[in-house]
Amino acid sequence: AQSVTQPDIHITVSEGASLELRCNYSYGATPYLFWYVQSPGQGLQLLLKYFSGDTLVQGIKGFEAEFKRSQSSFNLRKPSVHWSDAAEYFCAVVHSGGGADGLTFGKGTHLIIQP
Amino acid sequence: SAVISQKPSRDICQRGTSLTIQCQVDSQVTMMFWYRQQPGQSLTLIATANQGSEATYESGFVIDKFPISRPNLTFSTLTVSNMSPEDSSIYLCSVVEYNEQFFGPGTRLTVL
Repeated sequence: AQSVTQPDIHITVSEGASLELRCNYSYGATPYLFWYVQSPGQGLQLLLKYFSGDTLVQGIKGFEAEFKRSQSSFNLRKPSVHWSDAAEYFCAVVHSGGGADGLTFGKGTHLIIQP
Repeated sequence: SAVISQKPSRDICQRGTSLTIQCQVDSQVTMMFWYRQQPGQSLTLIATANQGSEATYESGFVIDKFPISRPNLTFSTLTVSNMSPEDSSIYLCSVVEYNEQFFGPGTRLTVL
């Protein structure tokens, strides 16, 4: 069965600094990968997704992610974080083949922004 | 993108009772999903609900505990039956549109 690992439970970054959140997946075929953000009291918002093609994916709010098949990774990056980026970030993979299926989520990374 | 609403947004229930959560979408969608997010945890898929067929449950979830209805292409319900404090969670529905999955705002359930 596929799985998603987010090795960092908490990450603290200074405002204006760069950010990288790690995500590793276990899946036999080409995965459909997603990053979601969940702000306190808010719903889940899709930041970006990867299905195929260019391995560097641009998302909303200045985020990007790079798919690396050799490392089974899909790390999320942002060159300069803002205080409003403080939230919980989830990496997810489609439950089984195809894009229209349930998702398996990682345990999440809690991002803390220092002033 | 699909707009999803859920009712109720939150509830406090007594153990042994049942709660039905409604999920309404503003467009017709084939696939709907129900997830659970336990306090401080990630999301776990409960079941897939397609209109016109029985829901498909993930390992660890059973129909007797989480019966699901999907009467049409814009609506679904999830019932949490015979509740215990361990059922205290946020329950979210989601839909797939153009290979993107959109989530409802969630129903925060507390069981006393």
